[in-house]
Amino acid sequence: SQKIEQNSEALNIQEGKTATLTCNYTNYSPAYLQWYRQDPGRGPVFLLLIRENEKEKRKERLKVTFDTTLKQSLFHITASQPADSATYLCALGADGGSQGNLIFGKGTKLSVKP
Amino acid sequence: DARVTQTPRHKVTEMGQEVTMRCQPILGHNTVFWYRQTMMQGLELLAYFRNRAPLDDSGMPKDRFSAEMPDATLATLKIQPSEPRDSAVYFCASVQGAGNRGELFFGEGSRLTVL
Repeated sequence: SQKIEQNSEALNIQEGKTATLTCNYTNYSPAYLQWYRQDPGRGPVFLLLIRENEKEKRKERLKVTFDTTLKQSLFHITASQPADSATYLCALGADGGSQGNLIFGKGTKLSVKP
Repeated sequence: DARVTQTPRHKVTEMGQEVTMRCQPILGHNTVFWYRQTMMQGLELLAYFRNRAPLDDSGMPKDRFSAEMPDATLATLKIQPSEPRDSAVYFCASVQGAGNRGELFFGEGSRLTVL
């Protein structure tokens, strides 16, 4: 069955460092991958999308890579700030009949300490 | 500022009671999803609709759950009878267009506690 794993439930880093979150998947061939941020008591908020034919995507301090050979995506936050503390979810999507149907990982809770 | 609106935000009920959760998707979004989030399972897709027609409800326990879209501005998720294992946060999300790869817009969720 399809499986998505995010490297750890929690990640603690110091302010100013780069946070790197990992999303691995098996038994799936996604056409694209998305990353969402979720704050406590709130719904997930979209951050970035990367397609299967793209290696890297950037947005301000965020960078996402997508390696379909390794079946892995890395999500980087450079110059991290305490305000970046949240849970980050990766989600895989396929084209075709299930368009728009995303499968989510369980998330990694990031804590950035001042 | 367009947003997905969910009601109620919190619901505490007793086992066996009927629970109805409502969602107003963003105007113009034609695809609506219902997800359930728990610590153990994360976000799980329950059902989704496109142009008000149900496309996939395989994630939903059919004996007690039902999802409908009476019109383009309202989606409902009903649990009858509710059980303690249904305790979770239920999210509605919507997206514009059919089959695009665009971002999902989530509501703030309905936190359900079944005693």
